[in-house]
Amino acid sequence: QLQLQESGPGLVKPSEALSLTCTVSGGSISRSTYYWGWIRQPPGKGLEWIATIYYSGSTYYNPSLKSRVTISVDTSKNQFSLKLRSVTAADTAVYYCARLETYYYYAMDVWGQGTTVTVSS
Amino acid sequence: QSALTQPPSVSGSPGQSVTISCTGTSSDVGSYNRVSWYQQPPGTAPKLMIYEVSYRPSGVPDRFSGSKSGNTASLTISGLQAEDEADYYCTLYTSSSTLLFGGGTKLTVL
Repeated sequence: QLQLQESGPGLVKPSEALSLTCTVSGGSISRSTYYWGWIRQPPGKGLEWIATIYYSGSTYYNPSLKSRVTISVDTSKNQFSLKLRSVTAADTAVYYCARLETYYYYAMDVWGQGTTVTVSS
Repeated sequence: QSALTQPPSVSGSPGQSVTISCTGTSSDVGSYNRVSWYQQPPGTAPKLMIYEVSYRPSGVPDRFSGSKSGNTASLTISGLQAEDEADYYCTLYTSSSTLLFGGGTKLTVL
C-alpha cells in the first residue's frame, strides 16, 4: 500500500526558506501516470495547491507562489521535496504531499498525513 | 488563475440529501471534466471522493455522487449520516497541468 510521509522543520524564521521532503513508500516514484505534489492549508482556511512534479523532472507551479517555490525529485531515494523561500507568517500552514494520478483520476488519490509549519521568530 | 467558488456552508438532517456546488468559468469547469471532490474531516488529510466529475474511487459509498452543468460542478450526498460531517473541496485539473481548488464547504449534519 502506497504511503507518503512529510518531514522537515516545524518552525521557520521569517525571511528564511522552508524545506520539506516527502518520502514515498510501498511503490516507485518513477511510475508513469503519477505526478507528485504539495498542497498547503493555513489554519482555519482552505486548501491551496503549491506545485507538482513528474519523476522525469517536469514541474508545474501555482502562479501566485512560483517566484518563491522550487519542487524537486530524487528518484534514487523515492523522495520529492519543496523549498519555499522568503517565508512570512502567511506561509504558516499544514503542508501535505500527495500523489496526482493522471490516467484515470486526474486527481490526488493518496495523501500524506500533513506536517505543520509555523513561521515565527 | 482564480479559485473555484463554493458555498461556505451547507447543512442537512440525517437521511436527507445535500448538494454542494462548485462554480468556475467557461474556460475551466465549463470546458473540462477533470473535476474532483475531496472530503476532509477535522484534523485529517483530504480524501478523494469523486473524480472526473462523477466517478467514485473504490470504497466510496454510492451515497456520494457528482455531476456538472455548464460552468458548475456539484457534489450530492444522499442519505446523510453523521460521519459525513466534514469540509468538502472541489478541484479542477486544468489544461495547463495546474490545479485549482475551490474555497471549501463546511457540511453540518444537524
